[in-house]
Amino acid sequence: EVQLVESGGGLVQPGRSLRLSCTASGFTFGDYAMSWFRQAPGKGLEWVGFIRSKAYGGTTEYAASVKGRFTISRDDSKSIAYLQMNSLKTEDTAVYYCTRDPAGTDYWGQGTLVTVSS
Amino acid sequence: DIQMTQSPSSLSASVGDRVTITCRASQGISNYLAWFQQKPGKAPKSLIYAASSLQSGVPSKFSGSGSGTDFTLTISSLQPEDFATYYCQQYNSYPYSFGQGTKLEIK
Repeated sequence: EVQLVESGGGLVQPGRSLRLSCTASGFTFGDYAMSWFRQAPGKGLEWVGFIRSKAYGGTTEYAASVKGRFTISRDDSKSIAYLQMNSLKTEDTAVYYCTRDPAGTDYWGQGTLVTVSS
Repeated sequence: DIQMTQSPSSLSASVGDRVTITCRASQGISNYLAWFQQKPGKAPKSLIYAASSLQSGVPSKFSGSGSGTDFTLTISSLQPEDFATYYCQQYNSYPYSFGQGTKLEIK
């Protein structure tokens, strides 16, 4: 069974950093691209970024709203995808989801809440 | 960037009804279109990819169609568990983008 479990969320002050983890199981993690999405309270879904599998270079893409502040990486030996978030802003407050992306998203994690507030 | 427009933004229907939600892209996206269902307080669930292909385990009461700029999601024989918010998403080009969502409510 495919499972994605996010962790690392919490309350953080504006300007600080936080790293989210997405631990995968039930499939060969290294074979898949992975994405991060977020959803601000009461709002719709927003794509954050994407990392390709190593077979496709392991390269990344980002939304303009996070580019230069957020970094996605992966550790295939541990089946974990990371979202490093720097210079956090209050508008980054959201539930963050990781997903598996074979050809469009198929599986979602349960999400982890990040609250940016002083 | 590609803008996705869903209609209607909300929809009231009865158990047993058939409903259709429309999604329009601001430019052609071939068939790189997905549909998601989200219930309050829960993670989204993937329903359809490539405009018309059902994700594994999704019942055939859900169907998608379209190509280019115009797409539809149809749900037949509505059951209480189908009342949720539905989102379309294009993954033809970065940045990926979503429609604003359609809230399907019980009449």
